[in-house]
Amino acid sequence: DQQVKQNSPSLSVQEGRISILNCDYTNSMFDYFLWYKKYPAEGPTFLISISSIKDKNEDGRFTVFLNKSAKHLSLHIVPSQPGDSAVYFCAASRIQGAQKLVFGQGTRLTINP
Amino acid sequence: DSGVTQTPKHLITATGQRVTLRCSPRSGDLSVYWYQQSLDQGLQFLIQYYNGEERAKGNILERFSAQQFPDLHSELNLSSLELGDSALYFCASMGDRDTQYFGPGTRLTVL
Repeated sequence: DQQVKQNSPSLSVQEGRISILNCDYTNSMFDYFLWYKKYPAEGPTFLISISSIKDKNEDGRFTVFLNKSAKHLSLHIVPSQPGDSAVYFCAASRIQGAQKLVFGQGTRLTINP
Repeated sequence: DSGVTQTPKHLITATGQRVTLRCSPRSGDLSVYWYQQSLDQGLQFLIQYYNGEERAKGNILERFSAQQFPDLHSELNLSSLELGDSALYFCASMGDRDTQYFGPGTRLTVL
């Protein structure tokens, strides 16, 4: 039972353009969502998060959008840079309780010069 | 640098053996989480400790156990190792702001 899904295993974007990564979840009890970036042989690096009381959160080039009715979130990166090439994981949790993260399978983003 | 440290970085061992993975959380963080990432898999939650006490368990095998010590570092013990236990093991720590910060991971190879 995969509660968090990233349906695109890979995405290729031209440098300078917008990258849009998508994530769907099934558990309506999730109320906190995070995006992590991962390079090979390194641990996941926290990028940005959003609480279910918001529908948008922005931090520099990164913006996360949350559509609770559709149980969908997306990460926008603009403009995309070569250093953004990595695997991106979305994760969900419940703020009350253990707050264990449930991860999607990841999307490999490649930024082409 | 997340501030979370893990040792060793790599571990190669044989089936049937036992290993211990170590994690030191960020300064001041009381919660430690352990996750496993197998080949082509997302990260799977194993277990959480808060200030020395076990708080939550995920799909952790009975052959695996963990503890958190008074200085807040944590150890994950894996015993009777099988080939399928080969994976990346990450720990993460969390303070009071709901965000987990991950260490660099330990790559375990069971031969």
